[in-house]
Order: sequence, then structure tokens, then C-alpha cells
Amino acid sequence: RKEVEQDPGPFNVPEGATVAFNCTYSNSASQSFFWYRQDCRKEPKLLMSVYSSGNEDGRFTAQLNRASQYISLLIRDSKLSDSATYLCVVNPSGAGSYQLTFGKGTKLSVIP
Amino acid sequence: GAGVSQTPSNKVTEKGKYVELRCDPISGHTALYWYRQSLGQGPEFLIYFQGTGAADDSGLPNDRFFAVRPEGSVSTLKIQRTERGDSAVYLCASSSQGAGTGELFFGEGSRLTVL
Repeated sequence: RKEVEQDPGPFNVPEGATVAFNCTYSNSASQSFFWYRQDCRKEPKLLMSVYSSGNEDGRFTAQLNRASQYISLLIRDSKLSDSATYLCVVNPSGAGSYQLTFGKGTKLSVIP
Repeated sequence: GAGVSQTPSNKVTEKGKYVELRCDPISGHTALYWYRQSLGQGPEFLIYFQGTGAADDSGLPNDRFFAVRPEGSVSTLKIQRTERGDSAVYLCASSSQGAGTGELFFGEGSRLTVL
């Protein structure tokens, strides 16, 4: 089983739609979780951290379910500029605080 | 302010050749990371530096890969006897703290193509 698994998509959604991405991780001892965004042929950039209590940043909501080892990202009122690949990222315990494990990413295309 | 700078942005080489990829991190960032991203995959950890020392090189695929950071700033990733399977984007990142905060600042990468 891969450490971090995501549905690669692509997700093609119309502007204004709500879309959700899911991610599962294999190491139950993992301590911290993040979503990164990567535009085509660009570098990954931190979108948001994922906290146990869930967190929201504008149109973006991230949730963590430790029991199911599952992370989600919800995007409301999708914009054309949200088109990108969204990478689920885990900091696995035991690997130190420096090593992040990335999923393959989920590609989102927001269509006019 | 300047972000992480990587050179070259593109490198085409022939199988068996030696390649060096350079990374200039954000000023003041003590932590530096190299990742490799193949097409359709997420970034894969290669090596981590804290200051001048390689704190963890467990992600380097084999002994053809080596990285240095002699003065605790600029780093060079060196690949000997390149193989076609080495073709990928090599991403460098830096951070002011450990990756526990999750925020690594990536450069735009060096795209390596081995013919």
C-alpha cells in the first residue's frame, strides 16, 4: 500500500461548483498533514495545513479523520484560477520533522 | 525578496554523462531539501541538509547520486553516469524551520532529460 494515495482525476467541474478531494495515508502514527497546490510545470506551493479540528481558509476547507486515516479538501464556488493539481502531503512520524511524503496529486480543471 | 533559485532550468544530456544541478535557497533558511518529481507523480524525497551536513540522505536512489552544501547555503546535486530513468524534474526547497510546519519553499526545478 502506498504511503499517501489520491484519486488522480482529472476532476472537470464548472465554475461555481463545489468539489471535494480525498486522500488516505498508511502510517497511523503520522502527525501532520497538508495540502499543496501545483500549477502546470510550476513548483508546489503550500495551500493549507490540515488540523484535527478541521480548518477553513476562505473557499477552502480541510478535514482530517485520524480513525480512518483520511484527509479531505473541499473547494466551494470554484474559480477558473483554481485549476491545478492538488497534492496531499503527510509528515510521517519516525521520519523526523523534515521529511514530507507527497501523494501523486489530483488534477482539477475548472471549466467556464 | 528572492525565492529559491535553481539552475539550469532545463538540462538535456546523454546517457552516461555527469550532471550537476544547483540550488540557491532563500537567504537565512538553514534547511534545504532535494526532491525528484517524475511525470504524473508527486515529489519524492531525496536528501535533507541542516546547515552544511546531510542530515538524511536516505532518499537518494543509489550511489550515482550525491549532494553537497559546503557553506550551508548553495547546494549542488550531482548525478554520475546518468541513465534514462533519471529523467525527471529535480526540485529544491528550503525552510527556516523543520518541515513539521509543512511549509517548504520550492524552486521551479531543474528539468533533466537523459537521452
